Amino acid sequence: SAVISQKPSRDICQRGTSLTIQCQVDSQVTMMFWYRQQPGQSLTLIATANQGSEATYESGFVIDKFPISRPNLTFSTLTVSNMSPEDSSIYLCSASVRPNNEQFFGPGTRLTVL
Amino acid sequence: GENVEQHPSTLSVQEGDSAVIKCTYSDSASNYFPWYKQELGKGPQLIIDIRSNVGEKKDQRIAVTLNKTAKHFSLHITETQPEDSAVYFCAAETGANNLFFGTGTRLTVIP
Repeated sequence: SAVISQKPSRDICQRGTSLTIQCQVDSQVTMMFWYRQQPGQSLTLIATANQGSEATYESGFVIDKFPISRPNLTFSTLTVSNMSPEDSSIYLCSASVRPNNEQFFGPGTRLTVL
Repeated sequence: GENVEQHPSTLSVQEGDSAVIKCTYSDSASNYFPWYKQELGKGPQLIIDIRSNVGEKKDQRIAVTLNKTAKHFSLHITETQPEDSAVYFCAAETGANNLFFGTGTRLTVIP
């Protein structure tokens, strides 16, 4: 198992601003990921956070909108840039943890953009 | 890419009865199938998983079965309790730890 923490847990932001979400894992991590979950919906992968290099983005997500950093094995940040109300969602961090590479999730960050 | 379908979208059962949730996947290269439970306001919690070299796995009241030929896998919860009420997601992994999720099943256990 693994404990994954995210900060902030929730935020209300104004249109046009940016928010950075932090994710910290307490275990030996192989990979880290960022997902988006609209209320009542399933999870959509935004990107894989790569240590020391650019993240790998899924179709429909771009670095300018969702810059991601992963300065070390167990920490990553996701920035939601130039926000609009359509960015209102839950953002989830996950990590694959040794030895079996099971993927665990953080509690999520609930973002509301006004 | 991988496409995971999940049924039913909602399921209500009486306390003590069994619940079954079914998923199908499209990519025969998928080899890892986890199930997650998500309670309101929380992140998904890994409850059980199965790999492609195993047909069935059980953990107390929870079991998962996998049929690779038919490309489907199922979650079975026996002796359901009110605290089992949540949204359950199946997922399939093709490689590089990329998970593709089903659309979720809202399970309600009626006391």
